[in-house]
Amino acid sequence: KQEVTQIPAALSVPEGENLVLNCSFTDSAIYNLQWFRQDPGKGLTSLLLIQSSQREQTSGRLNASLDKSSGRSTLYIAASQPGDSATYLCAVNTNAGKSTFGDGTTLTVKP
Amino acid sequence: DTGVSQDPRHKITKRGQNVTFRCDPISEHNRLYWYRQTLGQGPEFLTYFQNEAQLEKSRLLSDRFSAERPKGSFSTLEIQRTEQGDSAMYLCASSWPFTGPEQYFGPGTRLTVT
Repeated sequence: KQEVTQIPAALSVPEGENLVLNCSFTDSAIYNLQWFRQDPGKGLTSLLLIQSSQREQTSGRLNASLDKSSGRSTLYIAASQPGDSATYLCAVNTNAGKSTFGDGTTLTVKP
Repeated sequence: DTGVSQDPRHKITKRGQNVTFRCDPISEHNRLYWYRQTLGQGPEFLTYFQNEAQLEKSRLLSDRFSAERPKGSFSTLEIQRTEQGDSAMYLCASSWPFTGPEQYFGPGTRLTVT
């Protein structure tokens, strides 16, 4: 059974800092991995999707990496802003699209 | 592209009542997923459809839960004889795997059972 762990559970940083969020998974037989953002009481917004054959994906200030063999992914956020404050969720997916989520990292960026 | 929509956004019900939620996926998406999320946890998979066929159900989906997607478009999730433990956010997502496996989520339906 796939298990996904995200560390840390919460993170508070001053504005402008670069930061890394971590995601680990137990079964390396994944189809792809997706990072989401969730604002309080809202649905999920997809940030980046990495296919199992890829090592990283970039979008603006975000960079996600994937090391399938070690069961790890990181989400790097450059030059953090208060608007980045949210919960960040990692999901690993089977080829049917079924997702197993971590419990998220709640990020607070202080002005 | 109007995105994935869910209705209602909030539902308060008394224990023992039945509730039904609706999800309208992005129009060309043939896969539709239901997840449940409790406070402080990540979403948990409940079930998914490819067109009108329900292809997988989690063991979380007890016999009080039923989901349908009768014409391969919108889907409904019904909970019978609600319990306080059913209080959660119910999320729907859709995808079109042939152009990309990325899932697009709706805003969710927050259920409170009193």
